[in-house]
Amino acid sequence: AQSVAQPEDQVNVAEGNPLTVKCTYSVSGNPYLFWYVQYPNRGLQFLLKYITGDNLVKGSYGFEAEFNKSQTSFHLKKPSALVSDSALYFCAVRDRDRGSTLGRLYFGRGTQLTVWP
Amino acid sequence: DSGVTQTPKHLITATGQRVTLRCSPRSGDLSVYWYQQSLDQGLQFLIQYYNGEERAKGNILERFSAQQFPDLHSELNLSSLELGDSALYFCASSVDSVGTEAFFGQGTRLTVV
Repeated sequence: AQSVAQPEDQVNVAEGNPLTVKCTYSVSGNPYLFWYVQYPNRGLQFLLKYITGDNLVKGSYGFEAEFNKSQTSFHLKKPSALVSDSALYFCAVRDRDRGSTLGRLYFGRGTQLTVWP
Repeated sequence: DSGVTQTPKHLITATGQRVTLRCSPRSGDLSVYWYQQSLDQGLQFLIQYYNGEERAKGNILERFSAQQFPDLHSELNLSSLELGDSALYFCASSVDSVGTEAFFGQGTRLTVV
Protein backbone atom coordinates (compact mmCIF):
# COMPACT_ATOMS: atom_id res chain seq x y z
CA ALA A 1 0.00 0.00 0.00
CA GLN A 2 1.12 3.52 -0.72
CA SER A 3 2.22 5.55 2.26
CA VAL A 4 4.11 8.71 3.04
CA ALA A 5 6.04 9.45 6.21
CA GLN A 6 7.11 12.80 7.51
CA PRO A 7 9.14 11.80 10.54
CA GLU A 8 9.20 15.24 12.15
CA ASP A 9 6.03 16.88 13.42
CA GLN A 10 7.93 20.13 13.90
CA VAL A 11 11.03 21.74 12.48
CA ASN A 12 12.44 24.91 13.99
CA VAL A 13 15.14 26.97 12.32
CA ALA A 14 16.56 30.46 12.61
CA GLU A 15 16.02 32.92 9.80
CA GLY A 16 18.85 32.80 7.31
CA ASN A 17 19.75 29.21 8.12
CA PRO A 18 19.16 26.34 5.71
CA LEU A 19 16.10 24.20 6.32
CA THR A 20 15.20 20.61 5.54
CA VAL A 21 11.81 18.98 5.88
CA LYS A 22 12.02 15.23 5.52
CA CYS A 23 9.78 12.88 3.58
CA THR A 24 10.01 9.19 2.83
CA TYR A 25 7.56 7.15 0.86
CA SER A 26 6.52 3.59 0.22
CA VAL A 27 4.79 2.89 -3.06
CA SER A 28 4.67 0.17 -5.64
CA GLY A 29 6.58 1.23 -8.71
CA ASN A 30 7.81 4.73 -9.35
CA PRO A 31 5.70 7.51 -7.94
CA TYR A 32 5.11 11.11 -8.72
CA LEU A 33 6.13 13.20 -5.71
CA PHE A 34 4.82 16.55 -4.53
CA TRP A 35 5.24 19.14 -1.82
CA TYR A 36 2.40 21.38 -0.71
CA VAL A 37 2.34 24.16 1.88
CA GLN A 38 -0.60 25.21 4.04
CA TYR A 39 -0.75 28.60 5.71
CA PRO A 40 -3.22 29.20 8.55
CA ASN A 41 -6.82 29.35 7.32
CA ARG A 42 -5.67 28.77 3.77
CA GLY A 43 -5.83 25.92 1.33
CA LEU A 44 -2.94 23.81 0.16
CA GLN A 45 -0.55 25.56 -2.19
CA PHE A 46 1.53 23.61 -4.66
CA LEU A 47 5.30 24.04 -4.17
CA LEU A 48 6.98 21.57 -6.49
CA LYS A 49 6.81 18.13 -8.04
CA TYR A 50 9.06 15.36 -9.24
CA ILE A 51 7.94 13.48 -12.31
CA THR A 52 11.14 12.31 -13.95
CA GLY A 53 14.60 13.53 -14.85
CA ASP A 54 16.91 15.53 -12.61
CA ASN A 55 16.75 14.40 -9.01
CA LEU A 56 16.93 18.00 -7.78
CA VAL A 57 13.66 19.79 -8.38
CA LYS A 58 13.28 23.53 -8.01
CA GLY A 59 9.95 25.01 -6.98
CA SER A 60 8.22 28.12 -5.74
CA TYR A 61 9.56 30.61 -3.18
CA GLY A 62 13.13 29.32 -3.41
CA PHE A 63 12.31 25.79 -2.29
CA GLU A 64 13.84 22.71 -3.83
CA ALA A 65 13.57 19.00 -3.20
CA GLU A 66 15.89 16.10 -3.77
CA PHE A 67 14.57 12.77 -4.97
CA ASN A 68 16.57 9.78 -3.77
CA LYS A 69 15.29 6.55 -5.22
CA SER A 70 17.52 4.22 -3.20
CA GLN A 71 16.43 5.83 0.06
CA THR A 72 12.85 6.42 -1.16
CA SER A 73 13.08 9.98 0.08
CA PHE A 74 12.01 13.36 -1.21
CA HIS A 75 13.29 15.93 1.26
CA LEU A 76 12.31 19.58 0.93
CA LYS A 77 15.09 22.13 1.28
CA LYS A 78 15.76 25.82 1.21
CA PRO A 79 19.22 27.40 1.49
CA SER A 80 18.12 30.38 3.58
CA ALA A 81 14.88 30.30 5.60
CA LEU A 82 12.54 33.27 5.98
CA VAL A 83 10.13 33.97 8.82
CA SER A 84 7.38 34.00 6.19
CA ASP A 85 8.18 30.35 5.38
CA SER A 86 6.58 29.34 8.69
CA ALA A 87 3.69 27.06 7.74
CA LEU A 88 2.55 23.44 7.58
CA TYR A 89 4.25 21.41 4.86
CA PHE A 90 2.87 18.27 3.29
CA CYS A 91 4.61 15.69 1.20
CA ALA A 92 2.41 13.70 -1.17
CA VAL A 93 2.79 10.88 -3.66
CA ARG A 94 0.73 9.80 -6.60
CA ASP A 95 0.83 6.42 -8.23
CA ARG A 96 2.32 6.24 -11.69
CA ASP A 97 1.11 2.83 -12.71
CA ARG A 98 -1.87 2.16 -14.89
CA GLY A 99 -4.94 0.63 -13.36
CA SER A 100 -4.67 2.32 -10.01
CA THR A 101 -6.35 5.42 -8.75
CA LEU A 102 -4.01 7.59 -10.74
CA GLY A 103 -5.20 10.98 -9.66
CA ARG A 104 -5.31 10.29 -5.97
CA LEU A 105 -2.71 11.87 -3.72
CA TYR A 106 -1.43 10.14 -0.60
CA PHE A 107 -0.34 12.69 1.98
CA GLY A 108 2.02 12.61 4.90
CA ARG A 109 0.83 13.90 8.26
CA GLY A 110 2.51 17.23 7.74
CA THR A 111 5.47 19.03 9.31
CA GLN A 112 5.04 22.36 11.06
CA LEU A 113 7.93 24.61 10.11
CA THR A 114 8.70 27.53 12.38
CA VAL A 115 11.34 30.05 11.39
CA TRP A 116 12.24 32.47 14.16
CA PRO A 117 13.79 35.90 13.58
CA ASP B 1 -5.43 32.28 -5.54
CA SER B 2 -5.59 28.74 -6.95
CA GLY B 3 -8.71 29.36 -9.02
CA VAL B 4 -10.63 26.66 -7.15
CA THR B 5 -13.61 28.07 -5.27
CA GLN B 6 -15.27 26.38 -2.34
CA THR B 7 -18.42 27.49 -0.57
CA PRO B 8 -19.23 27.98 2.17
CA LYS B 9 -15.98 28.70 4.00
CA HIS B 10 -17.46 27.77 7.36
CA LEU B 11 -20.42 25.64 8.33
CA ILE B 12 -21.77 24.84 11.76
CA THR B 13 -24.53 22.29 12.05
CA ALA B 14 -26.04 19.85 14.49
CA THR B 15 -25.63 16.11 14.65
CA GLY B 16 -28.00 14.21 12.42
CA GLN B 17 -28.26 17.00 9.88
CA ARG B 18 -27.31 17.04 6.22
CA VAL B 19 -25.09 19.59 4.48
CA THR B 20 -23.86 20.24 0.96
CA LEU B 21 -20.42 21.55 0.16
CA ARG B 22 -19.80 23.12 -3.22
CA CYS B 23 -16.70 23.31 -5.38
CA SER B 24 -16.04 25.15 -8.61
CA PRO B 25 -12.87 23.90 -10.31
CA ARG B 26 -10.36 26.01 -12.17
CA SER B 27 -11.46 27.00 -15.63
CA GLY B 28 -10.64 24.16 -18.01
CA ASP B 29 -10.08 21.53 -15.33
CA LEU B 30 -12.10 18.37 -15.79
CA SER B 31 -11.19 16.50 -12.61
CA VAL B 32 -12.44 17.30 -9.13
CA TYR B 33 -11.13 15.65 -6.00
CA TRP B 34 -12.47 15.80 -2.46
CA TYR B 35 -10.25 15.44 0.59
CA GLN B 36 -10.97 15.49 4.30
CA GLN B 37 -8.45 16.95 6.73
CA SER B 38 -8.82 16.10 10.40
CA LEU B 39 -6.43 16.12 13.32
CA ASP B 40 -6.52 12.37 13.86
CA GLN B 41 -6.68 11.17 10.25
CA GLY B 42 -4.68 13.83 8.46
CA LEU B 43 -5.49 14.44 4.81
CA GLN B 44 -7.61 11.64 3.40
CA PHE B 45 -8.78 11.21 -0.15
CA LEU B 46 -12.55 10.83 -0.45
CA ILE B 47 -13.53 10.71 -4.10
CA GLN B 48 -12.63 11.87 -7.61
CA TYR B 49 -14.81 12.84 -10.53
CA TYR B 50 -13.66 13.33 -14.07
CA ASN B 51 -15.87 15.05 -16.62
CA GLY B 52 -19.01 14.12 -14.75
CA GLU B 53 -18.17 10.52 -13.96
CA GLU B 54 -16.88 8.98 -10.77
CA ARG B 55 -13.26 7.97 -11.33
CA ALA B 56 -11.93 6.84 -7.98
CA LYS B 57 -13.17 6.29 -4.47
CA GLY B 58 -11.21 6.48 -1.27
CA ASN B 59 -12.19 6.39 2.37
CA ILE B 60 -15.61 7.88 1.84
CA LEU B 61 -18.36 6.91 4.24
CA GLU B 62 -21.68 5.62 2.93
CA ARG B 63 -23.33 8.65 4.54
CA PHE B 64 -21.33 10.83 2.16
CA SER B 65 -21.94 11.21 -1.55
CA ALA B 66 -20.76 13.48 -4.31
CA GLN B 67 -21.51 14.39 -7.87
CA GLN B 68 -20.11 16.49 -10.66
CA PHE B 69 -22.49 18.47 -12.79
CA PRO B 70 -22.37 19.25 -16.54
CA ASP B 71 -20.82 22.63 -15.82
CA LEU B 72 -18.11 20.67 -13.93
CA HIS B 73 -18.80 22.06 -10.49
CA SER B 74 -19.06 19.43 -7.80
CA GLU B 75 -21.02 18.97 -4.62
CA LEU B 76 -20.19 16.83 -1.61
CA ASN B 77 -23.22 15.80 0.41
CA LEU B 78 -22.76 14.77 4.02
CA SER B 79 -25.74 13.30 5.83
CA SER B 80 -26.59 11.98 9.29
CA LEU B 81 -23.72 14.04 10.56
CA GLU B 82 -21.74 12.96 13.58
CA LEU B 83 -19.35 14.88 15.80
CA GLY B 84 -16.46 13.03 14.20
CA ASP B 85 -17.30 14.47 10.80
CA SER B 86 -16.03 17.84 11.95
CA ALA B 87 -13.10 18.57 9.67
CA LEU B 88 -11.74 20.74 6.91
CA TYR B 89 -12.99 19.53 3.53
CA PHE B 90 -10.86 20.40 0.54
CA CYS B 91 -11.69 20.31 -3.10
CA ALA B 92 -8.94 20.12 -5.70
CA SER B 93 -9.01 20.15 -9.48
CA SER B 94 -6.73 19.16 -12.30
CA VAL B 95 -6.95 19.40 -16.04
CA ASP B 96 -6.58 15.66 -16.58
CA SER B 97 -7.77 12.49 -14.90
CA VAL B 98 -4.40 11.63 -13.43
CA GLY B 99 -3.88 14.75 -11.37
CA THR B 100 -0.53 15.71 -12.84
CA GLU B 101 -0.82 18.94 -10.89
CA ALA B 102 -3.77 19.40 -8.56
CA PHE B 103 -4.84 22.83 -7.32
CA PHE B 104 -6.63 23.09 -4.01
CA GLY B 105 -9.38 25.36 -2.81
CA GLN B 106 -9.29 27.04 0.57
CA GLY B 107 -11.55 24.46 2.09
CA THR B 108 -14.82 24.34 3.97
CA ARG B 109 -14.50 24.03 7.71
CA LEU B 110 -17.37 21.91 8.99
CA THR B 111 -18.18 21.90 12.68
CA VAL B 112 -20.78 19.46 13.92
CA VAL B 113 -22.16 20.28 17.36
